[in-house]
Amino acid sequence: QSALTQPRSVSGSPGQSVTISCTGTSSDVGGYNYVSWYQQHPGKAPKLMIYDVSKRPSGVPDRFSGSKSGNTASLTISGLQAEDEADYYCCSYAGSYTLVVFGGGTKLTVL
Amino acid sequence: QVQLQESGPGLVKPSETLSLTCTVSGGSLSGYYWSWIRQPPGKGLEYIGYIYYSGSTNYNPSLKSRVTISVDTSKNQFSLKLNSVTAADTAVYYCAFESIGRLAGAFDIWGQGTMVTVSS
Repeated sequence: QSALTQPRSVSGSPGQSVTISCTGTSSDVGGYNYVSWYQQHPGKAPKLMIYDVSKRPSGVPDRFSGSKSGNTASLTISGLQAEDEADYYCCSYAGSYTLVVFGGGTKLTVL
Repeated sequence: QVQLQESGPGLVKPSETLSLTCTVSGGSLSGYYWSWIRQPPGKGLEYIGYIYYSGSTNYNPSLKSRVTISVDTSKNQFSLKLNSVTAADTAVYYCAFESIGRLAGAFDIWGQGTMVTVSS
């Protein structure tokens, strides 16, 4: 049982937009502006796509955007491309005791 | 560009101690929080804990009783020990850190990961 709740799967056609939700509590997502999102292709290490709720690391396309409302964060991918097909994980800082928590992951299928 | 490389045995017997090392190249350990994260086959990511370059540590409460993370600044390495392992500890183990020098879940640098299987 992961600390943060994500849908198991989402799908979309090339060019469309998809949004992945990540629900936590006031002790993690809702309590800090430290939500990040990772993309993971099979057999590869996770890649940071969004940090601090909505910031993009250098090199990440602006098709990827993040937001947060209350205890729920969201990752939106616009203009879907075939290479976006991957697993996506949300992550939140959760204080000095629990430290860092992850979501269970969402499999994105590009139809 | 800093790179991380995990190393250690790929097979550990139940009840024994899992030991892994992460070698940091292209940069110094100073000023950063160095973390371990694992991923069981087909499952999600789990945060294990971190060590600050000065040696202070903090661990996931669910693993705290079995985990020790240490640092060797002379070798530019940090290490993970997990004792009393069971099959549930079978996973890909990653080392990672945030290059902006904090711990907030934004790990932008990862090792390639190393698979550890717990089996007799």
